[in-house]
Amino acid sequence: DAKTTQPTSMDCAEGRAANLPCNHSTISGNEYVYWYRQIHSQGPQYIIHGLKNNETNEMASLIITEDRKSSTLILPHATLRDTAVYYCIVSWGGGATNKLIFGTGTLLAVQP
Amino acid sequence: DAGVIQSPRHEVTEMGQEVTLRCKPISGHNSLFWYRQTMMRGLELLIYFNNNVPIDDSGMPEDRFSAKMPNASFSTLKIQPSEPRDSAVYFCASSRARGLVNTIYFGEGSWLTVV
Repeated sequence: DAKTTQPTSMDCAEGRAANLPCNHSTISGNEYVYWYRQIHSQGPQYIIHGLKNNETNEMASLIITEDRKSSTLILPHATLRDTAVYYCIVSWGGGATNKLIFGTGTLLAVQP
Repeated sequence: DAGVIQSPRHEVTEMGQEVTLRCKPISGHNSLFWYRQTMMRGLELLIYFNNNVPIDDSGMPEDRFSAKMPNASFSTLKIQPSEPRDSAVYFCASSRARGLVNTIYFGEGSWLTVV
């Protein structure tokens, strides 16, 4: 599976958009980009995934560059409850044999 | 819908004792994963099953660790004998692959302290 690079930490003001970048320059054609987050003392939580196109759901938006070498997770209106470690993972879309390998992630601190 | 259910949530045990962690995956899911999380090593994949069969156990640290999945609704992770360095949060997760996408859902973890 391709390796990802994320900033160690980021700050964001409450109510503003949080834009979390991820580099995955060695991503291959059949690898998906997944985003998870882990709030302190809880299990990781699925946020969103994508292959080529931009995606949006009730939690966030995912913007993938045309060359697929990087992506950005956008939380449109960050709240204090969004403070968490955010993991960007790329993984081969092999269905049932797909396993997610977590890196160190980005600690997002939402400030009041 | 119930999520992934893990037990116990917290356990403190003495070195040398056997520890058994339990997991009930989400109904209908056919893949199950065991992860371990520590400050030093982050979130590590230990083993995963597909249709109750172990697919990849390369992350299991040593022979003291074993995992079983006797049926689709239950899995155990056993440590025997336990050591202080096994202290960690152990997460179970499950998924049901849809085409090429496999979204994994995690339990709340079992917090293990070995003294």
